Amino acid sequence: EAQVTQNPRYLITVTGKKLTVTCSQNMNHEYMSWYRQDPGLGLRQIYYSMNVEVTDKGDVPEGYKVSRKEKRNFPLILESPSPNQTSLYFCASSFTSGGEQYFGPGTRLTVT
Amino acid sequence: ILNVEQSPQSLHVQEGDSTNFTCSFPSSNFYALHWYRWETAKSPEALFVMTLNGDEKKKGRISATLNTKEGYSYLYIKGSQPEDSATYLCASLSGSARQLTFGSGTQLTVLP
Repeated sequence: EAQVTQNPRYLITVTGKKLTVTCSQNMNHEYMSWYRQDPGLGLRQIYYSMNVEVTDKGDVPEGYKVSRKEKRNFPLILESPSPNQTSLYFCASSFTSGGEQYFGPGTRLTVT
Repeated sequence: ILNVEQSPQSLHVQEGDSTNFTCSFPSSNFYALHWYRWETAKSPEALFVMTLNGDEKKKGRISATLNTKEGYSYLYIKGSQPEDSATYLCASLSGSARQLTFGSGTQLTVLP
């Protein structure tokens, strides 16, 4: 089944404790991206990747890192999480940047 | 950050009514316009990807039009059903065609 998977789905952590949210797709998509969703603000892009080893900042990259060492995986890293990073996070992929995005199930992160 | 605006922010209609929403986006350097449907507790799912001025797309009772010169797109739902209740997101891709910018969505509730 074609899909985008994210793990974990839910996470409660404390300020400053490094964490990684994994994202994997099995559709051989070149384009992958991370979004955060906050009430009233819609989906905001954090980082995106056009292909392996090519990543770029989106609209809200501060406090996040990503890597794209393999085509299928695009992990999101929070080196030192803070409460303002409490949010719902979505990973998405598509064949090209202009193509329809396939979204993962979301990760709800709470930083206390 | 380019502004993608959606209106109305929320909408309640009766079952059987037809309705429409608006997405406006900067028309300069336009590349593509996406529409997504996002049901509560699920992930956004693509409805349409539109690229050409005057483009019209249809999927069942849902259709969309695109005007790239004036920078707007309409989404129409004919004969709304309770299962159409969701948030409808539009997203614009422009310039270097690398970054998708989402609007904050129109939340539709269809009352039985």
